[in-house]
Amino acid sequence: RKEVEQDPGPFNVPEGATVAFNCTYSNSASQSFFWYRQDCRKEPKLLMSVYSSGNEDGRFTAQLNRASQYISLLIRDSKLSDSATYLCAVNTQGDSSYKLIFGSGTRLLVRP
Amino acid sequence: DADVTQTPRNRITKTGKRIMLECSQTKGHDRMYWYRQDPGLGLQLIYYSFDVKDINKGEISDGYSVSRQAQAKFSLSLESAIPNQTALYFCATSDLKGTLNQPQHFGDGTRLSIL
Repeated sequence: RKEVEQDPGPFNVPEGATVAFNCTYSNSASQSFFWYRQDCRKEPKLLMSVYSSGNEDGRFTAQLNRASQYISLLIRDSKLSDSATYLCAVNTQGDSSYKLIFGSGTRLLVRP
Repeated sequence: DADVTQTPRNRITKTGKRIMLECSQTKGHDRMYWYRQDPGLGLQLIYYSFDVKDINKGEISDGYSVSRQAQAKFSLSLESAIPNQTALYFCATSDLKGTLNQPQHFGDGTRLSIL
C-alpha cells in the first residue's frame, strides 16, 4: 500500500459545482498535512495547510480525519480556473527526517 | 524575482553526458530538496539536505548526486545520464522552526530530456 493515496480522477464537473477529494495516508504517526495545486507542467503551489480542527480559505475547505486516516479538500462554486491537479502531502516524523510524502494527485476539470 | 530559482529551465542532452541542475533560493530556508516527477507517478524524492553539512538520500537516489554549496544553493548532478532519467525535476525548500508544520515551496522546474 502506498503511504499516501489519491484517486487520480479526472473529476469532471460543471462550473458552480461543489467537488470533494480525499487523500488517505497509511502512517498513523503523520503529523502535518497540506494540499497543493499543480497546473500542467508547472510547479506545485501550496493551496492550504490542513489543521486538526479543519480550516477554510474562501471557497476551499480542508479537513482531517485522524481516526480514518484521511484528509479532504472541498471546493465550492467551482470556477474554470480551478481546473488543475490537486496533490496532498503528508509530513511524517517516522525517522526524524521530516519528509513530505506526496500523493500522485487528483485531476479536476471544470467545464463551462 | 522567484524565491526558488532553478536553472536551466529546459535541457536536452545525450545518453552518457554529465548534467548539473542548479537551485538557488532567497527564502533563507535551511532545508532543500530535489524531486523528479513522471506522469502518473507523482513527486519522488531524490535527495534532501537539512543544512550545509547534511545530505540524505531519498527514495530514488541511484544515478544522482547532490552538492549543498551554501545555505542558498543545492545542485543535482546526473553523472552519466540515461534516457529513463527524462523527467520534470523540481527543487523545493522549507523552513526549520522546530515543528513539522512547514510546507515546502517549489521552484519552477527543469524539464530534462535525455536522448
